[in-house]
Amino acid sequence: ETGVTQTPRHLVMGMTNKKSLKCEQHLGHNAMYWYKQSAKKPLELMFVYSLEERVENNSVPSRFSPECPNSSHLFLHLHTLQPEDSALYLCASSQQNRGSNEKLFFGSGTQLSVL
Amino acid sequence: QKEVEQNSGPLSVPEGAIASLNCTYSDRGSQSFFWYRQYSGKSPELIMFIYSNGDKEDGRFTAQLNKASQYVSLLIRDSQPSDSATYLCAVTGSARQLTFGSGTQLTVLP
Repeated sequence: ETGVTQTPRHLVMGMTNKKSLKCEQHLGHNAMYWYKQSAKKPLELMFVYSLEERVENNSVPSRFSPECPNSSHLFLHLHTLQPEDSALYLCASSQQNRGSNEKLFFGSGTQLSVL
Repeated sequence: QKEVEQNSGPLSVPEGAIASLNCTYSDRGSQSFFWYRQYSGKSPELIMFIYSNGDKEDGRFTAQLNKASQYVSLLIRDSQPSDSATYLCAVTGSARQLTFGSGTQLTVLP
């Protein structure tokens, strides 16, 4: 266990559904991340929450909406997804120092399938 | 040009051999370099990090960094079948964001 817990592990949803992914970190870190991993592609950073500041990848569609109520919890709200959004969604946390990313600890991921 | 480039493989080595995994990066201002291991169906796990030019050893793993050539490598000595995984290179660039390569799939043959 890495100290980062993600639920659910698997999710199948239709294009009209609304669902949320949940992440919790028990490491005392001050930054949390959502990454998307598609087959044969690099890990793609979607969102970062650091010291209550949110940084987002401008290429992420608005059908993905993050929420970070505190430094230990992170959500990714999903609505009206497309089949091409099917991928492994990974949550990670780190202890950021002076704005630089340091070592990431990943959760087990949510394998999402959009039908 | 990809920001962080890795040979996708698959790379196959016999058990007991040295596996050499390579990574190049485009941002000359990059400061921090990481290697993650990802088993099939699992999430990435940090195994090595290096900040300065030269070699850094940890057990059977050695990370090598050459900033002039914008090159970082991971050597695995005495490779074991349990080392079979995808290895992801990640680099913190001058914008202080972490960028991952696509990964190299390594298979260690018994």
